[in-house]
Amino acid sequence: GAGVSQSPRYKVAKRGQDVALRCDPISGHVSLFWYQQALGQGPEFLTYFQNEAQLDKSGLPSDRFFAERPEGSVSTLKIQRTQQEDSAVYLCASSSRDRLAKNIQYFGAGTRLSVL
Amino acid sequence: GENVEQHPSTLSVQEGDSAVIKCTYSDSASNYFPWYKQELGKGPQLIIDIRSNVGEKKDQRIAVTLNKTAKHFSLHITETQPEDSAVYFCAVTDYGQNFVFGPGTRLSVLP
Repeated sequence: GAGVSQSPRYKVAKRGQDVALRCDPISGHVSLFWYQQALGQGPEFLTYFQNEAQLDKSGLPSDRFFAERPEGSVSTLKIQRTQQEDSAVYLCASSSRDRLAKNIQYFGAGTRLSVL
Repeated sequence: GENVEQHPSTLSVQEGDSAVIKCTYSDSASNYFPWYKQELGKGPQLIIDIRSNVGEKKDQRIAVTLNKTAKHFSLHITETQPEDSAVYFCAVTDYGQNFVFGPGTRLSVLP
């Protein structure tokens, strides 16, 4: 597609429910990132994939958070047993390995998660 | 780890005036510095970036300056327009892939 696509755009969950957030990166982009953005704050890094390999998951706040990218394209961020503090916008970004474009991350519109 | 500060947190300017937002960072190994604009309900959009081997970069009404010695870089917007109103984020990375973002600046351009 033309840009990074995320679904759903909005998700309301009851505390304790599991949720799955999907990211479709720009076609051909090798690198994929997940960020969490709390209200009124900057995005904070969660995890990073290069192709299907999860190279950095240091930002995941707890073992309730899990991300995968099994075929090196679409990625899913799963949150188990959601808590109110998980309420945030979850942003996905992708980037190319092209030397000149290296480091430029293109963001999706995000999924706004509200945990009641 | 990297610490990024951004000032001011809010900025109001009259249409046509200039706006300047400054970011400071702590890790001297950082070498890529993008600026993102985020409108309500949308994801961050890259507006300009600079790499550590360059001191200044300009793209029409937008410019970024970098002082690696002092570890700060600034976004300059000239001839501001109402559509420039948004939240602006700076970010830094040391080519370790993940960005560390600043807390954001809410810019309001008053007609």
